[in-house]
Amino acid sequence: EAGVTQFPSHSVIEKGQTVTLRCDPISGHDNLYWYRRVMGKEIKFLLHFVKESKQDESGMPNNRFLAERTGGTYSTLKVQPAELEDSGVYFCASSQEDTSYEQYFGPGTRLTVT
Amino acid sequence: GNSVTQMEGPVTLSEEAFLTINCTYTATGYPSLFWYVQYPGEGLQLLLKATKADDKGSNKGFEATYRKETTSFHLEKGSVQVSDSAVYFCALTLRGGGATNKLIFGTGTLLAVQP
Repeated sequence: EAGVTQFPSHSVIEKGQTVTLRCDPISGHDNLYWYRRVMGKEIKFLLHFVKESKQDESGMPNNRFLAERTGGTYSTLKVQPAELEDSGVYFCASSQEDTSYEQYFGPGTRLTVT
Repeated sequence: GNSVTQMEGPVTLSEEAFLTINCTYTATGYPSLFWYVQYPGEGLQLLLKATKADDKGSNKGFEATYRKETTSFHLEKGSVQVSDSAVYFCALTLRGGGATNKLIFGTGTLLAVQP
């Protein structure tokens, strides 16, 4: 069974540019989460999808961030325009609806904004 | 609010030494507790979990006991190996009541084991 995959693994962009991160969850997992770790601090929750619906987006930092999950499969996280403080590692995780809260994480995308 | 506090790293140990990484939490409701590990170049992996008070999670020689009275979930291993070198994250999630099961993490503790 393939795990959670994320693309790209690393992205370097200039301030003001746009970047789109992609996450492919484990097949059949309805729940998809985005998290972010900035500057070696704690990993923070961004948002949660159940299938194609946003269940909780309380962690999204501002309206420069847009997440989508069309068709309830893969998800994208767009940052537009990127700022220096957006640099960090963005993790995606997925879980089945009926398991005991175990989330499976992808390897992360390291975003560097210069 | 809900939060997790874990000891600052890095923690440097010699092979076969005893490991403790402290983790305490603050939570409303009844949290489930987790330790995740991130090996170099890889994603986070669930190491162990405990879903109620006094439960002990264990895996790969690591253990942690859910202590409600001290709101703690300390990670221990009796004899570390070089291959245990990684970043360890303590985390919680809240159960029920429409909670989204989002994980709340500590800052992570880097463990370096020297041969």
